[in-house]
Amino acid sequence: DIQMTQSPSSLSAFVGDRVTITCRASQDISNSLNWYQQKPGKAPKLLIYDASTLETGVPSRFSGSGSGTDFSFTIDNLQPEDTGTYFCQQYDNLPPLFGGGTKVVIK
Amino acid sequence: QVQLQESGPGLVSPSETLSLTCSVSGASVSGYYWTWIRQPPGKGLEWIGYVYYSGTIKYNPSLRSRVTISVDTSQNQFSLMMRSVTAADTAVYYCARPLPPVAWGQGTLVTVSS
Repeated sequence: DIQMTQSPSSLSAFVGDRVTITCRASQDISNSLNWYQQKPGKAPKLLIYDASTLETGVPSRFSGSGSGTDFSFTIDNLQPEDTGTYFCQQYDNLPPLFGGGTKVVIK
Repeated sequence: QVQLQESGPGLVSPSETLSLTCSVSGASVSGYYWTWIRQPPGKGLEWIGYVYYSGTIKYNPSLRSRVTISVDTSQNQFSLMMRSVTAADTAVYYCARPLPPVAWGQGTLVTVSS
């Protein structure tokens, strides 16, 4: 199975900041990576698929990049509503395992 | 647009069997992989298993001995059974289509308690 290592596990930033989360796969997954946002009590919401394609309706301040084994997810101009937990998930090979999550908090 | 809806008891007694169904609308279960995922309170996402409509099934090795996943193409749904549950199985259970185009159910909280 392909393991996903996500970092950091939590971060705190000011409104307007740029924040970056990284995800590393245990083997080459091409660009088969999703990024999700999860709010308390809610199901994960897909933000980015194919490592860098923004899901319809998702604000353009969210972006993703990378291929192979190393990926990053960035929020530009962090907004209060961006608080939550973010997960990466690979789908190059089943099972579709997740990173451990990054909790984003506003200072 | 595809929609997934989990259904089943919200409370299960220890040592009993947890049974959940995921009803799929807006798409056929045929031709896709479908998966069950759970999230214990305050923790991350744990993959339980996946099923393909043709019968291919794979389980998380840590749960394999207690879990059965099946698909019913006539009802356009797939199901999860987890036997001999304990308090450690208390979690929000999600059904999902994990490969693009991705779709998730809203999740259902299952509490294991007497």
